[in-house]
Amino acid sequence: RKEVEQDPGPFNVPEGATVAFNCTYSNSASQSFFWYRQDCRKEPKLLMSVYSSGNEDGRFTAQLNRASQYISLLIRDSKLSDSATYLCVVNFLNNNDMRFGAGTRLTVKP
Amino acid sequence: ETGVTQSPTHLIKTRGQQVTLRCSSQSGHNTVSWYQQALGQGPQFIFQYYREEENGRGNFPPRFSGLQFPNYSSELNVNALELDDSALYLCASSRGVAAYNEQFFGPGTRLTVL
Repeated sequence: RKEVEQDPGPFNVPEGATVAFNCTYSNSASQSFFWYRQDCRKEPKLLMSVYSSGNEDGRFTAQLNRASQYISLLIRDSKLSDSATYLCVVNFLNNNDMRFGAGTRLTVKP
Repeated sequence: ETGVTQSPTHLIKTRGQQVTLRCSSQSGHNTVSWYQQALGQGPQFIFQYYREEENGRGNFPPRFSGLQFPNYSSELNVNALELDDSALYLCASSRGVAAYNEQFFGPGTRLTVL
């Protein structure tokens, strides 16, 4: 099993759609979880941290299920500007060892 | 813009050569992490430097080495380059080593090994 696994997509959705990405991780001792966004040929940027109780930031909602070792990201009312690759990130053995998934590519079309 | 800068932007080397990549961290950040990102993959953790000491290492061979300077800027050195070292090398700075600290990435150095 991969340390951090994501559906690579691509997800092609119309503007205004709701889309959900899933991520599973292998290390049950992992403590910190994040979603990063990476635009084509650009560096990754933090989208949001993922908290145990789930958290929301505008149109974005992140959920964590520790029992299933599963993280999700929900994007509501998709915008063209949401087109990017979304990376799931989990700390692995130590606090400084962050493991990235391969990313899920999203394209929002007019 | 994150305030993290990397140089050079692009680099072409041949197998067996050595390369040094540089990273300037964001003001106020004392921790720098280096990642390798192959095409179509997520970044892979190489190592982290905190206050001029290595503070964790991923699954990379010893020919990948680094330094951090008193101003917290950092270098990544790769010896005996192999074709598979061709990738985007990203550095990220953060305010401390705790995992909850946001990492701010630089634009990366694209290395091509021929």
